Amino acid sequence: NAGVTQTPKFRILKIGQSMTLQCTQDMNHNYMYWYRQDPGMGLKLIYYSVGAGITDKGEVPNGYNVSRSTTEDFPLRLELAAPSQTSVYFCASSYVSRGYTFGSGTRLTVV
Amino acid sequence: GIQVEQSPPDLILQEGANSTLRCNFSDSVNNLQWFHQNPWGQLINLFYIPSGTKQNGRLSATTVATERYSLLYISSSQTTDSGVYFCAVDYGQNFVFGPGTRLSVLP
Repeated sequence: NAGVTQTPKFRILKIGQSMTLQCTQDMNHNYMYWYRQDPGMGLKLIYYSVGAGITDKGEVPNGYNVSRSTTEDFPLRLELAAPSQTSVYFCASSYVSRGYTFGSGTRLTVV
Repeated sequence: GIQVEQSPPDLILQEGANSTLRCNFSDSVNNLQWFHQNPWGQLINLFYIPSGTKQNGRLSATTVATERYSLLYISSSQTTDSGVYFCAVDYGQNFVFGPGTRLSVLP
């Protein structure tokens, strides 16, 4: 039982490059989320999805895109990376809006 | 939007001591969770507690939704309890996180 799996764990990007952070869950949860955590801060919601084909913006969506083609997968796309996107990114899933299960995070540095 | 506050921001304890962490929120919420982020960054769900009291070993939590606060109790603290404790409130279709309480338990 893997839970929520995020890849990669670490990544360094140059300014202007693009990348996709992968997130997959095997618990058949319908809700999935992407959060970012800046150093010493709490978590801020980027995007969330309440089911396949449905996505919505959170508090800080600018510079990111998501898609949800299957129940299991919820990739986060960064276009034209900027230093302000240096952060730790967490994916989470839940059944409806009950207890979250988090992935282990992706530490991204933009230089 | 909703405001979520946590107190204290920082807490240092000797091993074996007890502590109470508080979470206040500014509006009615559907649900509330407590999380522990360990020093390696991993986030663990401690409690899903929309109201009432729950206990899990040395940890317990109480939410008084009508008064808009929740408390997390840690008894007989251990060094492995160190890290940041977040509360998160369900406001709409997702959870809004508080800024956290950083706990350091000294041996």
